[in-house]
Amino acid sequence: NAGVMQNPRHLVRRRGQEARLRCSPMKGHSHVYWYRQLPEEGLKFMVYLQKENIIDESGMPKERFSAEFPKEGPSILRIQQVVRGDSAAYFCASSPPGISGNTIYFGEGSWLTVV
Amino acid sequence: AQSVTQLDSQVPVFEEAPVELRCNYSSSVSVYLFWYVQYPNQGLQLLLKYLSGSTLVESINGFEAEFNKSQTSFHLRKPSVHISDTAEYFCAVIPASGGSYIPTFGRGTSLIVHP
Repeated sequence: NAGVMQNPRHLVRRRGQEARLRCSPMKGHSHVYWYRQLPEEGLKFMVYLQKENIIDESGMPKERFSAEFPKEGPSILRIQQVVRGDSAAYFCASSPPGISGNTIYFGEGSWLTVV
Repeated sequence: AQSVTQLDSQVPVFEEAPVELRCNYSSSVSVYLFWYVQYPNQGLQLLLKYLSGSTLVESINGFEAEFNKSQTSFHLRKPSVHISDTAEYFCAVIPASGGSYIPTFGRGTSLIVHP
């Protein structure tokens, strides 16, 4: 049973380019979360999605960032016109549907470097 | 809203010594509590969690944590650490009611085990 799969693991983009990060949740999981991790800052919540729905995007910057979780295929976190400050590790996590308290399972992360 | 405070950003300790990593939380509703471990360049892995019942929970690798409702704490302890325990440890909470399934993480504690 494969875990949460993220790709690419490492991505280098020049300022102004677009970054697209993909996340395939664990089998049977319909909830996806995206977090950003910066050195010395811990994990910051960005967005929470269920299939075809954004449930909570309160942690996502209003501009340049978007996320989707289509009916088919992986969840995508898109960053347009990247800037140096977007350099970070982006983690996706998933959990099964149902009550709160379910463990969320993390992927290995995608490390974005903006040069 | 919830918040999590990990009081120590770094904890150095010698091998075979005991260790305690502190976690305090703030919430207006009951919460579920989690500890995750992150090894370098990897995602977060669940170490242990408290949902209900006995306030002392244990992991398979010798860690334990005790939920103290009056002190709103969930400190992580291990009586004798190994070099391989060197990692970043994150405390997290999820509301037990209210419909939000979004975990809130602390900033992490870096456990450094010296030989």
